Amino acid sequence: EVQLVESGGGLVQPGGSLRLSCAASGFTFTSYAMSWVRQTPGKGLEWISSISATGVTTSSADSVKGRFTISRDDSKHTLFLQMNSLRAEDSAVYYCAKDSSAWFEDYFDHWGQGILVTVSS
Amino acid sequence: EIVLTQSPGTLSLSPGERATLSCRASQNIRNNYLAWFQQKPGQAPRLLIYGASIRATGIPDRFSGSGSGTDFTLTISRLEPEDFAVFYCQQYGTSLRTFGQGTNVEIK
Repeated sequence: EVQLVESGGGLVQPGGSLRLSCAASGFTFTSYAMSWVRQTPGKGLEWISSISATGVTTSSADSVKGRFTISRDDSKHTLFLQMNSLRAEDSAVYYCAKDSSAWFEDYFDHWGQGILVTVSS
Repeated sequence: EIVLTQSPGTLSLSPGERATLSCRASQNIRNNYLAWFQQKPGQAPRLLIYGASIRATGIPDRFSGSGSGTDFTLTISRLEPEDFAVFYCQQYGTSLRTFGQGTNVEIK
């Protein structure tokens, strides 16, 4: 059974940093691209960043480009999202999502349970 | 960026009834790369349909997807009590994957 478990969320001040982790199990981690998607009541679901199965190629939404960095540790079957220069509008539930192929222009076939990030002073 | 517009915003139906949800794209979706997800309160989205019409593993056959180009439909043939939720469409025809704003299917 595919399992994706996020951790690392919480309350952070504007301008601060957080690192989200997603522990993956139940599938061959190195064969699939992975992504982060966030959800807010106002903007709904928003794809924010993806990394290919090899880890060589990444892609990010303009809203987070230059501030967020996606990475993966294949030895630990873990996906990361380093979030810097956080803003109030980054407050959301962040989901780790498994892509359905090695490349990240495909559908998300499994999602983690989500982790709340709140940016506020 | 492909904008997806879902309608209606809310659908009030009774168990046993048929639900028809629409998703319209601002431009053609390459290869009909459109997926549908179901989300219940406090839960993550769950994949129902991909490739516009292919049911994901374990999804009951009362869920069906159709459409092409810019107009897509999710149909639930007979609503079961566990089907009431918010449904989202999502396109993956471009590297900037986008979601619709959702349709809430509620119990009438």
